[in-house]
Amino acid sequence: EADIYQTPRYLVIGTGKKITLECSQTMGHDKMYWYQQDPGMELHLIHYSYGVNSTEKGDLSSESTVSRIRTEHFPLTLESARPSHTSQYLCASSGTSGVTGELFFGEGSRLTVL
Amino acid sequence: GENVEQHPSTLSVQEGDSAVIKCTYSDSASNYFPWYKQELGKRPQLIIDIRSNVGEKKDQRIAVTLNKTAKHFSLHITETQPEDSAVYFCAASRYAWELSFGAGTTVTVRA
Repeated sequence: EADIYQTPRYLVIGTGKKITLECSQTMGHDKMYWYQQDPGMELHLIHYSYGVNSTEKGDLSSESTVSRIRTEHFPLTLESARPSHTSQYLCASSGTSGVTGELFFGEGSRLTVL
Repeated sequence: GENVEQHPSTLSVQEGDSAVIKCTYSDSASNYFPWYKQELGKRPQLIIDIRSNVGEKKDQRIAVTLNKTAKHFSLHITETQPEDSAVYFCAASRYAWELSFGAGTTVTVRA
């Protein structure tokens, strides 16, 4: 079934650790995104990609980095996690069609940095 | 960039009543306005969208209206039901894939 998958769903780590949040989609979409969201709060775009080897920073400044080596894969990395990085991270994708811009979201990765 | 403001931040309605959420946007070139619903602990999902060449769109109990001159658009939910309880986000963009989201409205439907 076509979907967008995020791992891990929950992660608790100590300050200074390096972490990578994985995101993969089987939707056949070219555009992918990372949003940061505190529970029930506003969605902030932190990174997006229009396709392979394309990455852009979003509206919200983030210390994380992303890569897009494969169309279906868009991992997000924090080199040195801090408590201020505690949040939920939502990955999303959208298709090439100009008719609909529907974003399909993953279930999210909830990160807690102690 | 685009700035989207959403009101109210919380809304409590009696089951069967209507709910209205309003959003304003700043970029007059924006032409795509979707609404997403996020139930507790779930991922956001698109419920309805409208483009600037249309003033109103309806899908069963939900409808969206757009006023391009005033740069605002609204979500209307009629005959609310408990399953309508969720956080609703409006968004706006020039292109369908570069969305700026509002801060969200928490809707609670009282039985």
